[in-house]
Amino acid sequence: ETGVTQTPRHLVMGMTNKKSLKCEQHLGHNAMYWYKQSAKKPLELMFVYSLEERVENNSVPSRFSPECPNSSHLFLHLHTLQPEDSALYLCASSTRTGVGMGYTFGSGTRLTVV
Amino acid sequence: QQPVQSPQAVILREGEDAVINCSSSKALYSVHWYRQKHGEAPVFLMILLKGGEQKGHEKISASFNEKKQQSSLYLTASQLSYSGTYFCGTEVGSGSRLTFGEGTQLTVNP
Repeated sequence: ETGVTQTPRHLVMGMTNKKSLKCEQHLGHNAMYWYKQSAKKPLELMFVYSLEERVENNSVPSRFSPECPNSSHLFLHLHTLQPEDSALYLCASSTRTGVGMGYTFGSGTRLTVV
Repeated sequence: QQPVQSPQAVILREGEDAVINCSSSKALYSVHWYRQKHGEAPVFLMILLKGGEQKGHEKISASFNEKKQQSSLYLTASQLSYSGTYFCGTEVGSGSRLTFGEGTQLTVNP
C-alpha cells in the first residue's frame, strides 16, 4: 500500500451509466491529482486540487466531474462516457508547499466503457 | 509540452547497467523519476532540482544538467526487481504541473 487508496480497482460501465471513482489519502498531503493513463501514452494530468480548491482543469470533457470535499478525499464522477475513455485512472497526492517532494500514487482504477 | 525519454525500451541481463534519458525543450525547475510495475502504482524514486545536482537511491542514481535541460537515470548492477516502466516528470516552476514522458520499459532477465 502506498498510502493513497483508490476504489474500485476495476470498473466496467455502459455509456449511459453514472459511476464515481474514489481516492483517499491520510498522508497529510494538501494537494491531490487525477491522471489518466492510456496504453502507449504518457500520464495525462486531468485535475489538480490544492487545499481543496480546484486549481487546474486540463481541458477535460465535462463528462468527467471532480469533487474534493476535504484534503483527504477526492472523487471523479463519470457520466455518459465514451469507449475511448477506457483507461487506468490514477490518483496522486503531494505536499504543494514542500520543496523536493514527490507524488504518491494510488494503484488506480481500471475503467472499461462498453 | 511533455519531456522526451530515451530509449523507449531496454532489455538487460541481471548485473548489467543501464541509462535512461529525459530531455525537455523548456527550462526546468525539477525532474522527478518514478518506476511503475505492471498493475501497480507508480512509485517515486527521486527528485532533482535545478542546480545540476546528482542523487542516489541504492544502486539507482540520477543527474540533472540544467544547461541542457536533461536528466539521466543510472541503474547499476541491475536486479530482477528493477524491471518496470520508468517515467520522468518535469516541472517548469515550483508547484507547477508535473508533465510526464512516455516512459521507458526496462526488463531485467536472469
